[in-house]
Amino acid sequence: DADVTQTPRNRITKTGKRIMLECSQTKGHDRMYWYRQDPGLGLRLIYYSFDVKDINKGEISDGYSVSRQAQAKFSLSLESAIPNQTALYFCATGLAGVDYNEQFFGPGTRLTVL
Amino acid sequence: GEDVEQSLFLSVREGDSSVINCTYTDSSSTYLYWYKQEPGAGLQLLTYIFSNMDMKQDQRLTVLLNKKDKHLSLRIADTQTGDSAIYFCAESDTNAGKSTFGDGTTLTVKP
Repeated sequence: DADVTQTPRNRITKTGKRIMLECSQTKGHDRMYWYRQDPGLGLRLIYYSFDVKDINKGEISDGYSVSRQAQAKFSLSLESAIPNQTALYFCATGLAGVDYNEQFFGPGTRLTVL
Repeated sequence: GEDVEQSLFLSVREGDSSVINCTYTDSSSTYLYWYKQEPGAGLQLLTYIFSNMDMKQDQRLTVLLNKKDKHLSLRIADTQTGDSAIYFCAESDTNAGKSTFGDGTTLTVKP
């Protein structure tokens, strides 16, 4: 079984709809992250969380919100989706207490906003 | 803020060496990383190097770090078609808990 799972894997929605992307992990990591990937723009950090009570904005948090329901679950919401939020979204986890910051990525959710 | 830059594309012939380059701006970067993304998948860490090192070798992979010029490279020896992927350079500060990623270099290996 995959250590970091994302649901759904693909989603098509319409402008103005609220949608939620979910991420679960079995790695026991405290740190979780949400990124979006756009062609030619690499990975951009949306939100990150170092534990259940710690939520931080990344470089592109506008239009997004998150919820850390448990150590193992971190969901990303788009309150009112717009077409320029069409992208590939990745969840990742990381281990606290080490100097380096290896991150473990889920398989991604491809979101299309029409 | 931190910035990490890479060229977007590289094409090589099978059996040749590939060299993917990266520059970064944050002088306090303590770890530099190379991730690989295969089609339809998330990123996976290939290797990382601590900033007090200038070289790290792991089988076919050689990482070179020039801290003075803030330049990182990844050399893949005897490149195979299975090495075709997007390669991301990334950096982080000690205990910062987050990394800054480059835009990724798409490596195409031709038979």
